[in-house]
Amino acid sequence: KAGVTQTPRYLIKTRGQQVTLSCSPISGHRSVSWYQQTPGQGLQFLFEYFSETQRNKGNFPGRFSGRQFSNSRSEMNVSTLELGDSALYLCASSLNPGASTEAFFGQGTRLTVV
Amino acid sequence: QQPVQSPQAVILREGEDAVINCSSSKALYSVHWYRQKHGEAPVFLMILLKGGEQKGHEKISASFNEKKQQSSLYLTASQLSYSGTYFCGTEFDQGAQKLVFGQGTRLTINP
Repeated sequence: KAGVTQTPRYLIKTRGQQVTLSCSPISGHRSVSWYQQTPGQGLQFLFEYFSETQRNKGNFPGRFSGRQFSNSRSEMNVSTLELGDSALYLCASSLNPGASTEAFFGQGTRLTVV
Repeated sequence: QQPVQSPQAVILREGEDAVINCSSSKALYSVHWYRQKHGEAPVFLMILLKGGEQKGHEKISASFNEKKQQSSLYLTASQLSYSGTYFCGTEFDQGAQKLVFGQGTRLTINP
């Protein structure tokens, strides 16, 4: 059974540009959550999608957005990149939202903004 | 709202035991434990729901004290493979799927 797949693994962008990251959840998993990991702030929740709907959103500016497709794949977009957006972006999938089910993380996309 | 993990770092010799604590100032519905090795994805260890349930996973177990809003992760007879950073993720509302993670505890196991 394939795990959570995130692409690309590494990305270098310039300030002001925008970026799109992709996440393919484990087959059969319908809930996808996104997290930002930095040395200073740790793991911070960005948003969660289920059935193509955003169910929860973390405390991030509107430059951060996401969506989920009918096949449960998800993308997140960051517009007008800032140096502080440099981080490891992790996607986690779970079978269903709620009921405190376990979440499985992908390897992440390492974004560097220069 | 971020839970506080303690200690921040611990160094052990193989075979020794360790306890990692995760405390919240807000009432918890569940606590999730993950281990992350350098350059890898966090790996799920276990979930504890409110109710004081204790769970086990090989030589790794955990408890959840609802009165104290605290969870503890116990690693007994530690192995080299246990090295990594341990995170607790807390869920305040049932079904929220919005985990608030602690800052992590770096565990180093030496031969």
